[in-house]
Amino acid sequence: GEDVEQSLFLSVREGDSSVINCTYTDSSSTYLYWYKQEPGAGLQLLTYIFSNMDMKQDQRLTVLLNKKDKHLSLRIADTQTGDSAIYFCAESPSSGNTPLVFGKGTRLSVIA
Amino acid sequence: EADIYQTPRYLVIGTGKKITLECSQTMGHDKMYWYQQDPGMELHLIHYSYGVNSTEKGDLSSESTVSRIRTEHFPLTLESARPSHTSQYLCASSKQVAGVGYGYTFGSGTRLTVV
Repeated sequence: GEDVEQSLFLSVREGDSSVINCTYTDSSSTYLYWYKQEPGAGLQLLTYIFSNMDMKQDQRLTVLLNKKDKHLSLRIADTQTGDSAIYFCAESPSSGNTPLVFGKGTRLSVIA
Repeated sequence: EADIYQTPRYLVIGTGKKITLECSQTMGHDKMYWYQQDPGMELHLIHYSYGVNSTEKGDLSSESTVSRIRTEHFPLTLESARPSHTSQYLCASSKQVAGVGYGYTFGSGTRLTVV
């Protein structure tokens, strides 16, 4: 079945760029998503990218998609302490009416 | 403002009790989902629903049940709570056509502790 892999932890200094990586297995996924979860809260949709795109930029966030390698990344420019959270990658399976497949989450820690 | 609501926010209950976690959304979304989240972050799909009177089991469904009598309401019931049920429970909803870029909208969660 479909699988989504992420590294579990990332630590960066305030002001630096953060890059969170994700690999997925379903080459026919239509959409890929990034969610953010702050402590004690639910997940919040950050951004998404359609599978026919290579890149999407939204303010400090840049999403890169390499379909050949089935690799997705989220770059956060000028990382702030408020960006400390868990980031989940998710894919929309090509099999149609089935739930999103989530990665296990990457915990981003921003050091002041 | 359209949103998704979960109650209670926190619950401490004794072993063997029956409990129902509530989830309601005001967005008219047809699809709703329940996830259990480990302390280690991973999300496990418990149940989901495509619409009224439609429910499906996820990966971790054997000890709970759900119902979908109204579009906006998707309660989760544990018939007999156990300490292993101690976890964060997240409800989510999405529009009818999955993967159209809308993603899921999540509630704030219910943190359940079974003693």
